[in-house]
Amino acid sequence: GESVGLHLPTLSVQEGDNSIINCAYSNSASDYFIWYKQESGKGPQFIIDIRSNMDKRQGQRVTVLLNKTVKHLSLQIAATQPGDSAVYFCAENGYGNKLVFGAGTILRVKS
Amino acid sequence: SQTIHQWPATLVQPVGSPLSLECTVEGTSNPNLYWYRQAAGRGLQLLFYSVGIGQISSEVPQNLSASRPQDRQFILSSKKLLLSDSGFYLCAWSVRGNQPQHFGDGTRLSIL
Repeated sequence: GESVGLHLPTLSVQEGDNSIINCAYSNSASDYFIWYKQESGKGPQFIIDIRSNMDKRQGQRVTVLLNKTVKHLSLQIAATQPGDSAVYFCAENGYGNKLVFGAGTILRVKS
Repeated sequence: SQTIHQWPATLVQPVGSPLSLECTVEGTSNPNLYWYRQAAGRGLQLLFYSVGIGQISSEVPQNLSASRPQDRQFILSSKKLLLSDSGFYLCAWSVRGNQPQHFGDGTRLSIL
């Protein structure tokens, strides 16, 4: 979910379990949403996106769910692996050419 | 395929010195280009974006400026750096506004 201040929420999961990372977005007019993965010292990496005319989209081991009624977005990662450990950001595009990013969630995978 | 390059990867500068960070994109034409800053433990703050050569939109008032002298080149500058300019600077490109943005690996800027 969204964080307040400098303390990012952390999700710890056991290797092999499924992970669910949540995000609340702010603009009901947003029509495009993206999930990014950021590893330490690197730029964010695109994972998956979804447009507002859909409520679910699947990729390889990842699924994004969109609930426009409550302005909620989630990322599900199946069979979480140690390489999935990173900070995950959601972003919404309801502002023309601009994306607005959430503060991020730390995913820690325990072996 | 498209690639984005940012340099340098790390930079240590004294307060009051000038700054120039460069970003180039390969494999696409007329991309939208973006500069972001990321503070430790935070999300990304959009600083500037550009939809074409010479077209720059500034998102927040600050000590920085941006320029796009060529189609696939985006430069972030400052005449005199402040301590508060420290951070992780990221460049990104997209085909157009409602498409994924793809990021470079960033420049970590430390001001002493």
